[in-house]
Amino acid sequence: AQSVTQLGSHVSVSEGALVLLRCNYSSSVPPYLFWYVQYPNQGLQLLLKYTTGATLVKGINGFEAEFKKSETSFHLTKPSAHMSDAAEYFCAVSEYTGGFKTIFGAGTRLFVKA
Amino acid sequence: NAGVTQTPKFRVLKTGQSMTLLCAQDMNHEYMYWYRQDPGMGLRLIHYSVGEGTTAKGEVPDGYNVSRLKKQNFLLGLESAAPSQTSVYFCASSTTGPQAQYFGPGTRLTVL
Repeated sequence: AQSVTQLGSHVSVSEGALVLLRCNYSSSVPPYLFWYVQYPNQGLQLLLKYTTGATLVKGINGFEAEFKKSETSFHLTKPSAHMSDAAEYFCAVSEYTGGFKTIFGAGTRLFVKA
Repeated sequence: NAGVTQTPKFRVLKTGQSMTLLCAQDMNHEYMYWYRQDPGMGLRLIHYSVGEGTTAKGEVPDGYNVSRLKKQNFLLGLESAAPSQTSVYFCASSTTGPQAQYFGPGTRLTVL
């Protein structure tokens, strides 16, 4: 059965510092992996996705994530945090086993300090 | 191109009342979903649809019903609201199951 674990419900970084949000998954078949961002009082927006091919995926707003099959991880990074990055981030895994199923992690709230 | 829209944005119900949440998408997506979001629990799938006239149960379907009479609309119904259904409800759509989902702005529902 598929599952998603996001390590840390809250992460705080200083403006200009590296952002690292961790996501580990389990899946019985090659997964599709996603990161979404949610700003206050809004719906989720896609940041980036991994389907097949290159394991380093670049997304919007300078974010990127690397699919590491051996570690079953899909961590999200950004070299330099900006105040506007403060939001909640969700990792999601989708697998197709006759029917589709997408599971979302519990979310990580990112705080950016001036 | 409005994307995914949800009606209403806010609603307060009394226990036992019924209501319908409307989701509409203008992207010609086949798949549509209803989720609920509760603090610390991420998003949980209530029901979904893989095409007009079809619906299926998700992770937490009890107490909810859905209908997909038109491709662009997906309705979520609560027949007899309970305080445990206080949540933020999101609708989403996608081209196919494993692809990225496009989310609406959410409906904040409070059941007293």
